[in-house]
Amino acid sequence: KAGVTQTPRYLIKTRGQQVTLSCSPISGHRSVSWYQQTPGQGLQFLFEYFSETQRNKGNFPGRFSGRQFSNSRSEMNVSTLELGDSALYLCASSLERAPLYEQYFGPGTRLTVT
Amino acid sequence: AQSVSQHNHHVILSEAASLELGCNYSYGGTVNLFWYVQYPGQHLQLLLKYFSGDPLVKGIKGFEAEFIKSKFSFNLRKPSVQWSDTAEYFCAVIEISNFGNEKLTFGTGTRLTIIP
Repeated sequence: KAGVTQTPRYLIKTRGQQVTLSCSPISGHRSVSWYQQTPGQGLQFLFEYFSETQRNKGNFPGRFSGRQFSNSRSEMNVSTLELGDSALYLCASSLERAPLYEQYFGPGTRLTVT
Repeated sequence: AQSVSQHNHHVILSEAASLELGCNYSYGGTVNLFWYVQYPGQHLQLLLKYFSGDPLVKGIKGFEAEFIKSKFSFNLRKPSVQWSDTAEYFCAVIEISNFGNEKLTFGTGTRLTIIP
């Protein structure tokens, strides 16, 4: 079974731009969660989507948004990028409602904002 | 708000040494507990988890962790480490609620370096 895939793997953007990251969960998984990983803050929960609905949200500004499609693939969008948005963005999928079920993580998208 | 503390930021050990990584959390109610590992260049993966039952949990690659509710702790242990255990280790906690809004809160991680 293929694992969680994330595209692109690396991205360089400038301040003020917007960016869209994509995540394809493991086949059959219905839940997708997004996390931001930085050296100073560690891993922080962004949001979770389950059956195309945002089920849970972390403490991030409204510039961070996401969606989930009927095939469970998910996208995350960050508008008006700031330097502090530079991070590794991880996607995780689980069979059912996260995080009570084991989450499987993708390799991440490394976003650099200049 | 819930917090998870991993007090050891970087641990350096020789092969065959014993390992204990600390994890403490702040929530007083029911919790589910996890240890994740991130090997160099690899994805984050689950080492072990505790939901209920025996507080001593065994995971992959010889790791175990003990849940001590009175101390709000879930320390990770391994009796004899190998060079291949070099990685970053993350403790994570879910506080169980009646509202269905549980989310995974991670500690800041402990970088483990094993010297051959």
